[in-house]
Amino acid sequence: SAVISQKPSRDICQRGTSLTIQCQVDSQVTMMFWYRQQPGQSLTLIATANQGSEATYESGFVIDKFPISRPNLTFSTLTVSNMSPEDSSIYLCSGLRAETSGRWAQFFGPGTRLTVL
Amino acid sequence: GENVEQHPSTLSVQEGDSAVIKCTYSDSASNYFPWYKQELGKRPQLIIDIRSNVGEKKDQRIAVTLNKTAKHFSLHITETQPEDSAVYFCAERAGGTSYGKLTFGQGTILTVHP
Repeated sequence: SAVISQKPSRDICQRGTSLTIQCQVDSQVTMMFWYRQQPGQSLTLIATANQGSEATYESGFVIDKFPISRPNLTFSTLTVSNMSPEDSSIYLCSGLRAETSGRWAQFFGPGTRLTVL
Repeated sequence: GENVEQHPSTLSVQEGDSAVIKCTYSDSASNYFPWYKQELGKRPQLIIDIRSNVGEKKDQRIAVTLNKTAKHFSLHITETQPEDSAVYFCAERAGGTSYGKLTFGQGTILTVHP
């Protein structure tokens, strides 16, 4: 399966500031997603990152708070804007790609652990 | 909307015993059901998956069964080992498309005691 890397791996930020998380895949993927995982919780989809167009956001998430870019098939960024302590979470990038078996497999990056003070 | 219920939330077994985790879903158009294992501080890793046209799939000590009529699927781990201890998440792919978004269950914390 493809390898996904994220930067930064963790950060501690002050409220009111913004943080941009980068996601790089080592080979082309059809779709890229951004998830949030709060401590001890499941994964919640924030949005689907669309190449060359605006991301598709899930209910409860908006572009002004979580702007997303995907300039090409292997790279995406998620910005957490005007942060508050409630934004403290792990943010995970995910890629979806067709494998040689014909199945569509979805895999995850290592996550970015964000703490907002 | 899509909804996946996962049970139990915690599961404790002795090494060598079997472990079973069950998930139910609501979208009858869902056609793909993966299971992920997440060790502490690590990323979720796909361990097994099943499509809606198959009732059971096995890979060494792990197996997944699917009952489309009842809309539930289960993860079976046999001969458990301490390294199986992790959080396990089920998921379903919504809407019947082959590459739609995944909706995850709440997770099961599995502890295997030596």
